[in-house]
Amino acid sequence: DAGVTQSPTHLIKTRGQQVTLRCSPKSGHDTVSWYQQALGQGPQFIFQYYEEEERQRGNFPDRFSGHQFPNYSSELNVNALLLGDSALYLCASSFFARGGNTDTQYFGPGTRLTVL
Amino acid sequence: DAKTTQPNSMESNEEEPVHLPCNHSTISGTDYIHWYRQLPSQGPEYVIHGLTSNVNNRMASLAIAEDRKSSTLILHRATLRDAAVYYCILSGGNKLVFGAGTILRVKS
Repeated sequence: DAGVTQSPTHLIKTRGQQVTLRCSPKSGHDTVSWYQQALGQGPQFIFQYYEEEERQRGNFPDRFSGHQFPNYSSELNVNALLLGDSALYLCASSFFARGGNTDTQYFGPGTRLTVL
Repeated sequence: DAKTTQPNSMESNEEEPVHLPCNHSTISGTDYIHWYRQLPSQGPEYVIHGLTSNVNNRMASLAIAEDRKSSTLILHRATLRDAAVYYCILSGGNKLVFGAGTILRVKS
């Protein structure tokens, strides 16, 4: 059973460009969350997708947008890249939590984005 | 979002137990306590979670204080492969809010 996969592994862009990162969830999972991890810090929640809709969003500007497809895979798009967007971008999949608890999230290895 | 406080780093000897503390004095009644760890060059990995009672699984044990304002992750016999950043997280919804975590170093 394949776990969470992300592509590409590494990416180099210049300021002002746009980037798309991709994520395939663990088999059977219906929810995808995206996190940004700057060097030396813990991951920061960007947003979560379930049933092809953004269900919750962290404190990130509108330059960060996403999409979820009918097969539950997801994309993260970042427009007008800034130097500060350089980070490891992590995708996590889970079952949607309808109750009070957050379901266990399974993380992919991440995409390392460098903005020059 | 409820906040957690963890030591920046800890060191352990191989084959010895490790107790990783976490303070969460502002925890609400519905917040679950989750622990994840992140090995070098990998995404975070689920370790254990609990609400009120102590929990055990194949990886670790979670001891939760009676007032729920603190918890301790227990690795019963540390190995070199347990060297990682350990995150204590409170969650009551669909997102995980990570802090800086505790860097665990294991000496052989």
